[in-house]
Amino acid sequence: DQQVKQNSPSLSVQEGRISILNCDYTNSMFDYFLWYKKYPAEGPTFLISISSIKDKNEDGRFTVFLNKSAKHLSLHIVPSQPGDSAVYFCAASQYGNKLVFGAGTILRVKS
Amino acid sequence: EPEVTQTPSHQVTQMGQEVILRCVPISNHLYFYWYRQILGQKVEFLVSFYNNEISEKSEIFDDQFSVERPDGSNFTLKIRSTKLEDSAMYFCASSGAPLQFFGPGTRLTVL
Repeated sequence: DQQVKQNSPSLSVQEGRISILNCDYTNSMFDYFLWYKKYPAEGPTFLISISSIKDKNEDGRFTVFLNKSAKHLSLHIVPSQPGDSAVYFCAASQYGNKLVFGAGTILRVKS
Repeated sequence: EPEVTQTPSHQVTQMGQEVILRCVPISNHLYFYWYRQILGQKVEFLVSFYNNEISEKSEIFDDQFSVERPDGSNFTLKIRSTKLEDSAMYFCASSGAPLQFFGPGTRLTVL
């Protein structure tokens, strides 16, 4: 099941710089997209979401961009902090039902 | 802040034994889910539950699995006869729609 893809297994960024995490999807019926952050041995923690009727949603240092024509979304973290180091999962749903997850991207923010 | 809780945090069992994983969702949520993550793989959907019945289940959720909400607060996942391949992190999620909030997970180890 490759409906949601995160093609970068890992990303390393200097503290204070921008982190950009990418996600692609194939199912055009998805209408809600979420980003979760996960530490080892913990559950996914909700970060930010976006509905398909929008192309941008911002919450503090986190901004999610949605390009429906390209079936692509991205999460921007500015400025990146060492505490942001974790695994980031993109997830998508249709009508708020089950979530389909990407494989995750490991973000490491170096101080 | 309300949160989803799960018990136990770690369950070790012998192959063929029954296990029950427990979750206490956020109190005013109406939609409940179980997901699992096998080591090194994606988080994958198992089952969703609404209005005291299963609303959707995945191919993984075969006759060995069952869910119930016995007392209006707990939400349980039962695996009747565990297999080695059931070893995974099991996450409960609850939702007021469309956001889903996850518990910390139960690590199930089948020997």
